[in-house]
Amino acid sequence: TQLLEQSPQFLSIQEGENLTVYCNSSSVFSSLQWYRQEPGEGPVLLVTVVTGGEVKKLKRLTFQFGDARKDSSLHITAAQPGDTGLYLCAGPGGERVSARQLTFGSGTQLTVLP
Amino acid sequence: NAGVTQTPKFQVLKTGQSMTLQCAQDMNHEYMSWYRQDPGMGLRLIHYSVGAGITDQGEVPNGYNVSRSTTEDFPLRLLSAAPSQTSVYFCASSYWRGGYTFGSGTRLTVV
Repeated sequence: TQLLEQSPQFLSIQEGENLTVYCNSSSVFSSLQWYRQEPGEGPVLLVTVVTGGEVKKLKRLTFQFGDARKDSSLHITAAQPGDTGLYLCAGPGGERVSARQLTFGSGTQLTVLP
Repeated sequence: NAGVTQTPKFQVLKTGQSMTLQCAQDMNHEYMSWYRQDPGMGLRLIHYSVGAGITDQGEVPNGYNVSRSTTEDFPLRLLSAAPSQTSVYFCASSYWRGGYTFGSGTRLTVV
């Protein structure tokens, strides 16, 4: 079973603060993807990390893949209200799921207050 | 560029009724999937397809059927709706090992 656990489940912060959310598993993943979902919409892909230790930056968002490829983190610098949304991590495979399909974590609901 | 189009956006069904949720993509993606999203449960895979004519079950397939007659279309059929199928349904498509493109969802209520 390749379960993805995300923490925290909910996070409410003030505009301008920094934050980190986590995606952890007991299993090794060949890659991990991060998505953001806004209310009433489908998830939108932010980034894919493939190599252990890899760091990718997307403006104020920094994504890191753990050296052992079992975990990943998303750090947001100087959060803005537009960052509000549900952040989901996903990896290939999982219980009763082909390795060609994605298993999703339950997400971190981020609210950035103005 | 339309991406992934889902219809309808909202639907209310009575218990026992059947219906089809439509999904179409215009990116020539091989892979298409159906997920349901429930509070606290995340996205759970219902069925998926790796190409026209090929489908397989995901994590929660009971009560749903799919078919893939063309690369573009991947409809999801509810055979006999139950209140437990009240959810938000998302269709997604991708290239092999690529990131998923999701539709905007169908919000289904079964009463």
